[in-house]
Order: sequence, then C-alpha cells, then structure tokens
Amino acid sequence: EPEVTQTPSHQVTQMGQEVILRCVPISNHLYFYWYRQILGQKVEFLVSFYNNEISEKSEIFDDQFSVERPDGSNFTLKIRSTKLEDSAMYFCASSGTGYGYTFGSGTRLTVV
Amino acid sequence: SQQGEEDPQALSIQEGENATMNCSYKTSINNLQWYRQNSGRGLVHLILIRSNEREKHSGRLRVTLDTSKKSSSLLITASRAADTASYFCATDGSNYQLIWGAGTKLIIKP
Repeated sequence: EPEVTQTPSHQVTQMGQEVILRCVPISNHLYFYWYRQILGQKVEFLVSFYNNEISEKSEIFDDQFSVERPDGSNFTLKIRSTKLEDSAMYFCASSGTGYGYTFGSGTRLTVV
Repeated sequence: SQQGEEDPQALSIQEGENATMNCSYKTSINNLQWYRQNSGRGLVHLILIRSNEREKHSGRLRVTLDTSKKSSSLLITASRAADTASYFCATDGSNYQLIWGAGTKLIIKP
C-alpha cells in the first residue's frame, strides 16, 4: 500500500537553528499538508499546498515557517529559527482528491 | 471555534467488549474522519463518513453520523489488546484542512 514517508523520525536541534523536515507524499497525490501535535495536545493544522502554492495556512504558520516542493517528489517544511515551543510531532499528509488523507509516521522535533 | 470534541477522554474495557467513542462538532462539514494513534506514533486513517451518509462499516468498526446533532460515534466491536490507542475524530474545514478533537484514549485490558 502506498505510504507517505517522513524523515528524520526524530530531530533534536538547538534553539535558533533552522530545521528542515522532509516528506515524500504518495506519488499521484495532488494535495499536501503539514500538521503538528504538541505532546498531549490536539493535532493542529499548519498549511495546505496545492498546485505548487500554499492554499491555506493557520495562524501558527507564521514567517518562521515555509514549505517547498523542490523536485516534484519531496515536500519540505522549514522552520527558520526554532523556538522551544516548536517542539512537537510534525505530520505530513497527502491526498488525491482533498479527502481521504494518508499521513506519514511523523517527525518528532525537540528544540533544546 | 473548536471542532471535534471526543468523549470520553479515556475508556478502559476488557478484551472482547465493545468500545464506543463519541465526537461532537460545531460547524457544518463535508465529511468526518476517524484516526487512530498508537502512543507517540503516526496517525492512521480508519474511516471517512460523508455528510450525506448516516452509517459506515469497516471490519470491526462502525461509524455513525448525525448531522442534525452534529455528532458521530465510533464503535469497535470485539475489542482486542492491539486496539489500545488514542482515537481522534477530525472534520474538514475550508480548503480541506482537518480540524481535530482532543482524542479518546482507549485501553483494552487482556
């Protein structure tokens, strides 16, 4: 069964450093998303991406965040200057139709 | 506004029993989805029910949707130890973004 792959599974970074979280969505999917889940809290929407541009973003997705689809297969989330409160599990998801998402297994980001 | 509030927050039952979890939401939806998350792991899509559907089955899972009450339930029949996980409902917002509830933590005792 097709999978969404996320790397790394766990990343530890120092406050103020830039991090790039990588995702390989399912190959024929057109809609891509990033969500995050702070430990013990709800999953929160960050951003959706369609047709090579951001289609929707939440208040969390401020200027410190950016997304790219650099080569037609990868979908990346960059955090420019990490803060302690960015520590969370980050999930990538893709969808063929806008419904019926497939999520990756997540990247646990720890900012120290 | 807050969407997708599950109850109970935690549920502990004996293996073999049925587990029922509920979800309420506030605004109109296109569909409602249920996901499972094993502790600290990824989100696994279980089932999607569209707003014009009332009931859907998948294996031991049964989902109902009552749009008049803005609520859904997930029933897991004949529970197994491997069903121990957190279960989340998620409703679609604008532009297909999902809005999530806080989840129900289900523990199946052997």
